[in-house]
Order: sequence, then C-alpha cells, then structure tokens
Amino acid sequence: DVKVTQSSRYLVKRTGEKVFLECVQDMDHENMFWYRQDPGLGLRLIYFSYDVKMKEKGDIPEGYSVSREKKERFSLILESASTNQTSMYLCASSRGADGYTFGSGTRLTVV
Amino acid sequence: GQNIDQPTEMTATEGAIVQINCTYQTSGFNGLFWYQQHAGEAPTFLSYNVLDGLEEKGRFSSFLSRSKGYSYLLLKELQMKDSASYLCAVRPLLGSARQLTFGSGTQLTVLP
Repeated sequence: DVKVTQSSRYLVKRTGEKVFLECVQDMDHENMFWYRQDPGLGLRLIYFSYDVKMKEKGDIPEGYSVSREKKERFSLILESASTNQTSMYLCASSRGADGYTFGSGTRLTVV
Repeated sequence: GQNIDQPTEMTATEGAIVQINCTYQTSGFNGLFWYQQHAGEAPTFLSYNVLDGLEEKGRFSSFLSRSKGYSYLLLKELQMKDSASYLCAVRPLLGSARQLTFGSGTQLTVLP
C-alpha cells in the first residue's frame, strides 16, 4: 500500500523553538508539497519541491523553510515557532500531473 | 491568481442526493480535483475533470464546465459515512505549476 508518512500526528512546541516536520513517501514521486489547513481558510500552500535539492515558495512561505536532500523525504522547518503557526500541517506527493496522495497530517500546537 | 468558492456547509438526509458546487477564477486551468476529508484524517482523492462533462464513479459523479468556471460533485444514495468535508482543487496550466489550489471545503452532514 503506497504511503505518505508524517513523523508525528500531534506536536506541542514552545514559542521560539525550532521545529522540524518530516514527511516521507515510498512512491518514488518527484513532487512533494507542504500545506497548512486552518478552519475557514482551507489548505494553503507553504512550499513545494519538484526534485531533490529543489524548492519553491508557495502562497505563505514566511516563517518556514524546507529541505529536500533525498527524493523520498521533504522536511518543513519552522525557524522560530510562533503561536500563529498553530495549525494542521499536511504533506502531499504526486507524480507528474497526477493528483496528490496526502499524509495523515501533523497537528502542531505552539504555546 | 486563483479564487475558488464553495459553500461552507450543507446538510442532507440519508438516501438522498446532494450536489456540492464549486466555482473558480484562475489565471490558467488544467484540471479540477475533488477530495473527501473525514474529520482528523487526510484528504483522499475522489475525482478529476479536465474536459467538459460528467465523470461518473459509482455513487459519486463530478461535472465540469470550463467556459463557466464551474464544477459540481454529485453524491447519490447518501450514507452516514459520507459525512465529511469535500474539497475542490484547481491545477493551473501544465508546465507552469504542478501544485493545486484548494477551496475552503464544504462540510457535509448526513442526517438519519
């Protein structure tokens, strides 16, 4: 069964901490994406990647960075967590122009 | 830019038919997706339309009109398990981007 795996289902972090959210896919997909999902705002794209070591900003990249050192892994980094980054974070992957396969999400709370 | 609108909430009765609409205004268009998301879970793929017309898949159908910037998802013979959020997503022109832009989702509640 093909999968996109996010390392944590729930996380609680303190303001100012550096936070790493990990995403791994086993489908050899070249495209990987990070979204955050908030009530009333839907899914908003943070960053995406079309290839190893490649990254592009999405609609709301401020306060975030990403790393893609290997094809199967796409990491989202919150350089200094803030309370307005409390959200559900969804990772997704795709091949070419196909639709996405999503991970189960990480619910991050910043206190 | 991209703008996608869908109703926030809908309620329907078990066994009934419900239509969830989605309108979009995008700088380019290369396909529209519908996803289903149960509370606390990841979105899962339902349908994909790139040409005008109706795509049927069991109890679910999806329609697209590119000239009107309009799509709907039709759910027949509703079941309680269909209670979920339904997300409309648009992909811009092939070659310019592969990412999807999502609407805010329609929360469907199916009542007994």
